[in-house]
Formats: sequence, C-alpha cells, structure tokens
Amino acid sequence: AQSVTQPDIHITVSEGASLELRCNYSYGATPYLFWYVQSPGQGLQLLLKYFSGDTLVQGIKGFEAEFKRSQSSFNLRKPSVHWSDAAEYFCAVEVDSSYKLIFGSGTRLLVRP
Amino acid sequence: DVKVTQSSRYLVKRTGEKVFLECVQDMDHENMFWYRQDPGLGLRLIYFSYDVKMKEKGDIPEGYSVSREKKERFSLILESASTNQTSMYLCASTTAGTGEKLFFGSGTQLSVL
Repeated sequence: AQSVTQPDIHITVSEGASLELRCNYSYGATPYLFWYVQSPGQGLQLLLKYFSGDTLVQGIKGFEAEFKRSQSSFNLRKPSVHWSDAAEYFCAVEVDSSYKLIFGSGTRLLVRP
Repeated sequence: DVKVTQSSRYLVKRTGEKVFLECVQDMDHENMFWYRQDPGLGLRLIYFSYDVKMKEKGDIPEGYSVSREKKERFSLILESASTNQTSMYLCASTTAGTGEKLFFGSGTQLSVL
C-alpha cells in the first residue's frame, strides 16, 4: 500500500540557518508529490509539487524540494529560515491519479530567535 | 480570492448526538474532500466527492456519512458522535485534473464529551 513517512516529528533550527525536512514515500509508479504547510489555526497551503521532469522543484516562500527516485525521497529545503516559517509541514503523495492524497504525519518546525 | 469556508471553528457536542459539519467553496470545484487531522497521524481521508450527489469512501469512513446536494457544499455527518471522533476536521476542494492543488478550509475542532 502507498504510504508517506516523515521521520522527524519536531525540528528546531535557529533563524537564518538552513533547513531540510525529510520525506520518504512508498509507491510503485512515479508519484505526484506535494509539500503543504499549516500555520497555527489555519488550513494547509501548498508549497510546491512534483510531477515529472526536473527533479529539483522550486516553491513559494523560498522553499525547494528534490525528488530522488533511488531513495524514494522528496526532501524539503530552505537555505535560510525565517521566524515566520515556524509551522507544521506535511508531505503528500497522490494515489493512482485519483485526486486522493496520502499525507505523512507531519513535521513541526520551531525557529529559535 | 479563492475560499473554502467551514461553518464552525470550534464545536462541542455530546456523545450520541448527530453532528453536521458544513463546508462551502466558491471556486466551482468538482472535487471535495473531508479529512481528519490527529497529532502524530497527519491527515486521513474520510470521504470525498467527484460531483454532485456522488461520494466515495476514503480510508476511515466508519462512523461518518456525507452529503453533496449542491456543487459548492459538502457536508460531513456524524450519525452518533463518539469520543473517539474528537478531532480537527479539514475540508478541501480542487478542480478536476490530476495533480491539482487542494484548497483547504481553516478546520473545525470538534470535541465530543
């Protein structure tokens, strides 16, 4: 069965430091992959998505993610974190072109001043 | 600006009550979804709908039903609320087409006492 794993429940980084959030998926074919962010008290907002082509994907708010088929990974990165990036981040995979998304359990990012 | 509106931000109900969660989108989207969000579990799909009067079970439909009488409105129904249905409920919508991003509402935090 398809699944998405986010191994880090919490991550704390200092403002200005770089960030990498990990995501691994289990899916037979080439997946459609997404990263969403949820700020406190809000719904989820799309950061970026990958379908095909260039494996390095640029998103909003300075985020990028790299698809690595050999590692079944789609890690999210940002070179310099801002205090406003503190939120919960979810990786997701679309199942069988069905519009249904399977989400990971999320990673909560804390930013130290 | 596009909008998915959930009727209540917080809701407190008693065990055994029938509960209605309402969701309205103003984007003329074909697809609508109900997820529940629990700490450490991420988002899990309850039900979704591809069109008016159509519905499909998601991964955790037990104890829930849905109604979609109009394209813009998708209701989640708890026939007899139980304490294990205490959760954050998120509604989302998307246009037809693989890989389209989901637009989320802000969520309804339901407490069943």
